Amino acid sequence: EPEVTQTPSHQVTQMGQEVILRCVPISNHLYFYWYRQILGQKVEFLVSFYNNEISEKSEIFDDQFSVERPDGSNFTLKIRSTKLEDSAMYFCASTRDYTEAFFGQGTRLTVV
Amino acid sequence: KQEVTQIPAALSVPEGENLVLNCSFTDSAIYNLQWFRQDPGKGLTSLLLIQSSQREQTSGRLNASLDKSSGRSTLYIAASQPGDSATYLCAVKGGSSNTGKLIFGQGTTLQVKP
Repeated sequence: EPEVTQTPSHQVTQMGQEVILRCVPISNHLYFYWYRQILGQKVEFLVSFYNNEISEKSEIFDDQFSVERPDGSNFTLKIRSTKLEDSAMYFCASTRDYTEAFFGQGTRLTVV
Repeated sequence: KQEVTQIPAALSVPEGENLVLNCSFTDSAIYNLQWFRQDPGKGLTSLLLIQSSQREQTSGRLNASLDKSSGRSTLYIAASQPGDSATYLCAVKGGSSNTGKLIFGQGTTLQVKP
């Protein structure tokens, strides 16, 4: 069964460092998303991506964040200069159209 | 702005009981509603998707209903088992957003005791 794959599963980084979280969405899907979940809190929308451009971003998604689809399979989230409050589980999701969303297993980012 | 609320926040039941989890949302102009399961420290597993035109969906021991006009959905779990212990999240798509983003509730953490 097709699935969304995220790497790495856990990343520890020092404050101020850049991190790139990677995702391989399901191959025939067209819409891509990043969400995050701070420990004990709700899953929050970060950004949606369609047709090689951002279609919506939340207030959280400031200039420190960027997304890219560098080739036909990968979808990445970059945080330029990490802060302690960026520590969270980051989920990638994809949908073929506006129906069922499929999520990856997440990347746990710990900023120290 | 769409807000999603889930009640109760936590629930503990003995094995074999039938149970209902509740989800409410403030903007009834949704495209669909999806229920997820999340195990501790893990990803989100899709359980059921209900389109806005549907009233309910069933998968095995799970049944989800949707009353769009009143802004409510329920997830019914029949004959609960210890393996059902997890956090259950509901999420809605649509409302004022046309980019397909999901707005999540805070979840109901279920413990099924053997």
